[in-house]
Amino acid sequence: DIVLTQSPALAVSLEQRATISCKTSQNVDNYGISYMHWYQQKPGQQPKLLIYEGSNLASGIPARFSGSGSGTDFTLTIDPVEADDIATYYCQQSKDYPPTFGGGTKLELK
Amino acid sequence: EVQLVESGGGLVQPGRSMKLSCAASGFTFSSFAMAWVRQAPTKGLEWVASISYDGGNTYYRDSVKGRFTISRDNAKSSLYLQMDSLRSEDTSTYYCAKDTGYYGYTAFDYWGQGVMVTVSS
Repeated sequence: DIVLTQSPALAVSLEQRATISCKTSQNVDNYGISYMHWYQQKPGQQPKLLIYEGSNLASGIPARFSGSGSGTDFTLTIDPVEADDIATYYCQQSKDYPPTFGGGTKLELK
Repeated sequence: EVQLVESGGGLVQPGRSMKLSCAASGFTFSSFAMAWVRQAPTKGLEWVASISYDGGNTYYRDSVKGRFTISRDNAKSSLYLQMDSLRSEDTSTYYCAKDTGYYGYTAFDYWGQGVMVTVSS
């Protein structure tokens, strides 16, 4: 299985930039597409898709969110951070079965 | 508006069975793969099973193979998860999720609100 590694927590100030990383144990690119996706989950709610295929913004997601990276190193950037962005963020790969998720990064306020 | 509504959760004894359902609306259900993803209390997300748009291909995580069965009824726009020989480690919130493609290998763009399954004597 492909293992995805995220830092457990990140402290950030409002209106600053948050950078959340995800490292994979194997390359998740194929034919020029990065099979890496990002989700936001708030307490008591279901996950919400933010970014798909590395850098594509999902429907209805504000442009403050962006995704980058390739191969085994990926980043979710939130700029600027708003109070509503306080949540846990998960990366997920879909290049190979089984689909796997990172352990999640909890975004906290400084 | 896409909606996914799960049902069928609750408390069940170890070794017993339970069937989850997911009623879908707001999109052409028969054109997309679907999945079940679970989350144990205070833990992260864990993919459980997926099924292709036509039900012809199914995929399972190793820990549920031979115990869980994913299925779908495209005429009823419904997804199911039959869970047999349940174990305490299956205790989780189970989410129904829509895939963005026909066969999986893509992102999950819509999720249900989740249904809790507690396996305990």
